[in-house]
Amino acid sequence: DAGVTQSPTHLIKTRGQQVTLRCSPKSGHDTVSWYQQALGQGPQFIFQYYEEEERQRGNFPDRFSGHQFPNYSSELNVNALLLGDSALYLCASSRGRTTSGNTIYFGEGSWLTVV
Amino acid sequence: AQSVSQHNHHVILSEAASLELGCNYSYGGTVNLFWYVQYPGQHLQLLLKYFSGDPLVKGIKGFEAEFIKSKFSFNLRKPSVQWSDTAEYFCAVSSTGGSYIPTFGRGTSLIVHP
Repeated sequence: DAGVTQSPTHLIKTRGQQVTLRCSPKSGHDTVSWYQQALGQGPQFIFQYYEEEERQRGNFPDRFSGHQFPNYSSELNVNALLLGDSALYLCASSRGRTTSGNTIYFGEGSWLTVV
Repeated sequence: AQSVSQHNHHVILSEAASLELGCNYSYGGTVNLFWYVQYPGQHLQLLLKYFSGDPLVKGIKGFEAEFIKSKFSFNLRKPSVQWSDTAEYFCAVSSTGGSYIPTFGRGTSLIVHP
């Protein structure tokens, strides 16, 4: 049973460029959330997708956008990259929209460095 | 909105020592509480969670945590640590009446010397 898989694992981008990160949820899961984890910090919630729609959003600018496909996989897009966007981007999946009874599972993340 | 404070950012212990990592949260309503662990080079994994009932929660690998509502605390404990417990530990809280999206603390880096 595959867990949450993310790609790419590492990438380097230049300021002003755009990046797309990809996530396949754990088998049987239909809800995907994205988090940003800066060095020395805990994960910060970006947004959550369920039934191909953004359901909840954290305190991130519109430069951060996403998409969920019919097979429940998801993409995170970041436009006009800033140096401060350098971080580990984590994808997490769960069965159904996050409720108190659901456990979320994390992928290993995509390391983004903006130079 | 809820927030989480982890008091110890770096902890260094010798094997067999006892561990207690502090976690306090701020939120006025009912909460769910979590401890996650991130071993070097691995993904975040759930250690244990509290939703309701017995405030003393037992998790994997001998870890436990106690929810003290009056102190808004959910400290993580282990009686005897092993070298393999070296990892980053994150406390998280989610509200039960809202989005259920967990808010994470900044983490505690634990190094256990053999």
